[in-house]
Amino acid sequence: EIVMTQSPATLSVSPGERATFSCRASQSVNNYLAWYQQKPGQAPRLLIYGVSTRATGIPARFRGSGSGTDFTLTISSLQSEDFAVYYCQQYNNWPPALTFGGGTTVEIK
Amino acid sequence: EVQLVESGGGLIQPGGSLRLSCAASGFTASSNYMNWVRQAPGKGLEWVSVTFSGDTTHYADSVKGRFTISRDTSKNTLYLQMNSLRVEDTAVYYCARAPLPGILDVWGPGTTVTVSS
Repeated sequence: EIVMTQSPATLSVSPGERATFSCRASQSVNNYLAWYQQKPGQAPRLLIYGVSTRATGIPARFRGSGSGTDFTLTISSLQSEDFAVYYCQQYNNWPPALTFGGGTTVEIK
Repeated sequence: EVQLVESGGGLIQPGGSLRLSCAASGFTASSNYMNWVRQAPGKGLEWVSVTFSGDTTHYADSVKGRFTISRDTSKNTLYLQMNSLRVEDTAVYYCARAPLPGILDVWGPGTTVTVSS
């Protein structure tokens, strides 16, 4: 099973600042990497797939990058609605299994 | 509007059974990879199961042999039959659509399953 590790667990950022956080896979996932945003009490929302392709309706301030085993999500200028938990997910060896990272919480500094 | 709505959650004793439903609207579920993903209280996301291409199914090791995914194309509805439930199955269960393998682009609001004596 491919293990996804996210860091940091929590990131404190002021509105308007840039947020950058990481996701590392235990083996190469090629470009089969997605990011999701989840707010309290809500379902996750797809942000990015294929490492860097934004999903429909996702603002350009969200940017994904990386390759192989190391990936990054950058939010260029944090808005109030961006404070949430972010999960990475690989789908390289799927089926049979999708795996998610443990999440990064972006909180207001 | 593309939408998924889960139902069927509740409180159940260990060893019991429960069937979750996920009603799809605005698209044809049978033309997509349909998934269940769960989230234990205060924890991260865990993929549970997928069905696609008619009757092809896959399961996470943690539920294999206990859970069964299925769908009714006439009702455009996905199901998850959960047997031999354990305390560790307590979670919010989401259904999610994947129009392409592994990319979960539409999620339902979730239904809560609590396994406790």
